[in-house]
Amino acid sequence: AQSVTQLDSHVSVSEGTPVLLRCNYSSSYSPSLFWYVQHPNKGLQLLLKYTSAATLVKGINGFEAEFKKSETSFHLTKPSAHMSDAAEYFCVVSDYGNQFYFGTGTSLTVIP
Amino acid sequence: DSGVTQTPKHLITATGQRVTLRCSPRSGDLSVYWYQQSLDQGLQFLIQYYNGEERAKGNILERFSAQQFPDLHSELNLSSLELGDSALYFCASSVAHGSSYEQYFGPGTRLTVT
Repeated sequence: AQSVTQLDSHVSVSEGTPVLLRCNYSSSYSPSLFWYVQHPNKGLQLLLKYTSAATLVKGINGFEAEFKKSETSFHLTKPSAHMSDAAEYFCVVSDYGNQFYFGTGTSLTVIP
Repeated sequence: DSGVTQTPKHLITATGQRVTLRCSPRSGDLSVYWYQQSLDQGLQFLIQYYNGEERAKGNILERFSAQQFPDLHSELNLSSLELGDSALYFCASSVAHGSSYEQYFGPGTRLTVT
């Protein structure tokens, strides 16, 4: 069975400092992995995706994520947080069955 | 703007009633997904259609049904509504139905059942 665990429900960082949002997955097959962001009262926006190509994936707004098969992780990072990064972030795993499994989300707060 | 549209934006109705939520996918996308987002359950996948046919089913209640029409728009029908059905309902679309295709989300329909 496929599942996603986002290890932190809330992360708080100061503006200009690095961001790390952690995600572990469980999948019986080679998964596709995604990170989405949801700003308040908005729909979800794709940040980046991994689909068995390069293990380091670059996304929009300076975010990137590294697929580590040995650790079954797909952590999201950004070198320097901006106030506009404050939002809810979802890690998603998708398998051969075309189902998408969402993590419970990590709320990112950016302190000025 | 993702290109996915959903109507209505907000819906307030009473228990026992029936409502229909509508979704228009991005131009060229053949797959439509429906999700329910609530505070206690998080984001739950409900159902997926591809080019008019049901492709995958998630945690969709029997009181809920969906369809995708020849013009590719989709409707989610919720009947015998209960207070617990109050949630944000998202539609997403993708160009195809494989697991590697990213989904583009609409702004959602907020359903309040009183």
